[in-house]
Amino acid sequence: EAGVTQFPSHSVIEKGQTVTLRCDPISGHDNLYWYRRVMGKEIKFLLHFVKESKQDESGMPNNRFLAERTGGTYSTLKVQPAELEDSGVYFCASSLPGTDTQYFGPGTRLTVL
Amino acid sequence: GNSVTQMEGPVTLSEEAFLTINCTYTATGYPSLFWYVQYPGEGLQLLLKATKADDKGSNKGFEATYRKETTSFHLEKGSVQVSDSAVYFCALFYNQGGKLIFGQGTELSVKP
Repeated sequence: EAGVTQFPSHSVIEKGQTVTLRCDPISGHDNLYWYRRVMGKEIKFLLHFVKESKQDESGMPNNRFLAERTGGTYSTLKVQPAELEDSGVYFCASSLPGTDTQYFGPGTRLTVL
Repeated sequence: GNSVTQMEGPVTLSEEAFLTINCTYTATGYPSLFWYVQYPGEGLQLLLKATKADDKGSNKGFEATYRKETTSFHLEKGSVQVSDSAVYFCALFYNQGGKLIFGQGTELSVKP
């Protein structure tokens, strides 16, 4: 069974540009999460989808971040326009309904210059 | 609010040394507790978990016991190997909340 996949693995962009990150969860996992680790600090929650609905987006830092999960399958996280402080590693995770174990993807390392 | 505090790294050990990485938490109710590991160049992997007080999670020689009285979930291994070099993250989870709350991570480096 394929695990959680993320694309791209690395992205280097300039301040003001737009970047879109993609996450493909494990098949059948209704729950999909985005997290971010900035500058070696703790991994912080961004948002949680249940199927195509946003269950909790309390961790989204501001309105430059837009997450979607059309059709309840893969998800995208768009940052527009990117700022220097957006640099970090963005992780996606998925889980089955009613379970507590989340399975993580390899992450996307975003560098904003 | 809910939070997780880990001992700061980096931690450097010689091969076959004993490892302890401290983790304490602040939470209401009864969260599940996890240790995740990130090996160099890879993503986060679940290492072990415990879902209630006094449960012991174990995997790959690592162990952690859910201690409600001390609100701790310390990670231990009796004899580390070079291949254990990684960043270790302690985390808690509430079913109602749906999200993991992580500590800041502890980098472990094991020297031959």
